[in-house]
Amino acid sequence: NAGVTQTPKFQVLKTGQSMTLQCAQDMNHNSMYWYRQDPGMGLRLIYYSASEGTTDKGEVPNGYNVSRLNKREFSLRLESAAPSQTSVYFCASSPLGQGAADTQYFGPGTRLTVL
Amino acid sequence: GNSVTQMEGPVTLSEEAFLTINCTYTATGYPSLFWYVQYPGEGLQLLLKATKADDKGSNKGFEATYRKETTSFHLEKGSVQVSDSAVYFCALSDLSGGGADGLTFGKGTHLIIQP
Repeated sequence: NAGVTQTPKFQVLKTGQSMTLQCAQDMNHNSMYWYRQDPGMGLRLIYYSASEGTTDKGEVPNGYNVSRLNKREFSLRLESAAPSQTSVYFCASSPLGQGAADTQYFGPGTRLTVL
Repeated sequence: GNSVTQMEGPVTLSEEAFLTINCTYTATGYPSLFWYVQYPGEGLQLLLKATKADDKGSNKGFEATYRKETTSFHLEKGSVQVSDSAVYFCALSDLSGGGADGLTFGKGTHLIIQP
């Protein structure tokens, strides 16, 4: 099992460019999440998908869109990148998607710099 | 809303010292509580969790007890090793308020263990 995989690992964009961050999990989990990690801020939830076919906003969704392509894949798109979106992005998944006790499993992260 | 407050580092200790990292939380309902660890260049891994009051989570010599009366979930280890050097995140999950199905994180505590 690869667990949660993310591509790319590193990316540099210019302001206004677009890109899609890819995430896939092979654990047959129902729920998937996108977080961003900024220095001194911990991790903040951008979007999540409780099950295939559904997506919902988290704490900081502005400037992002998501697609739950199938049960395995959950992508994050930046339509017009801004320097404020420079961050490390983590994808996570959890098996049940119900109840607060679910453990989330994290990918290795994508380090994005917007110039 | 929900929030997590943890001591900010860096925390520097000598090998075999006793470790405490404080964590307190605010939640509208009855959250589950987690400690995640992030080693350099990696994603987050679950260290331990507790799902109800007075539960004790434990793993790899680390322990934390869910204290509802003090709204705390302090992380402890009796004798730290150099390999414990990492960033530690306290987090909660609380779905009772109808909020987002994700984790609320503290800002993280950078732990440095010196030989």
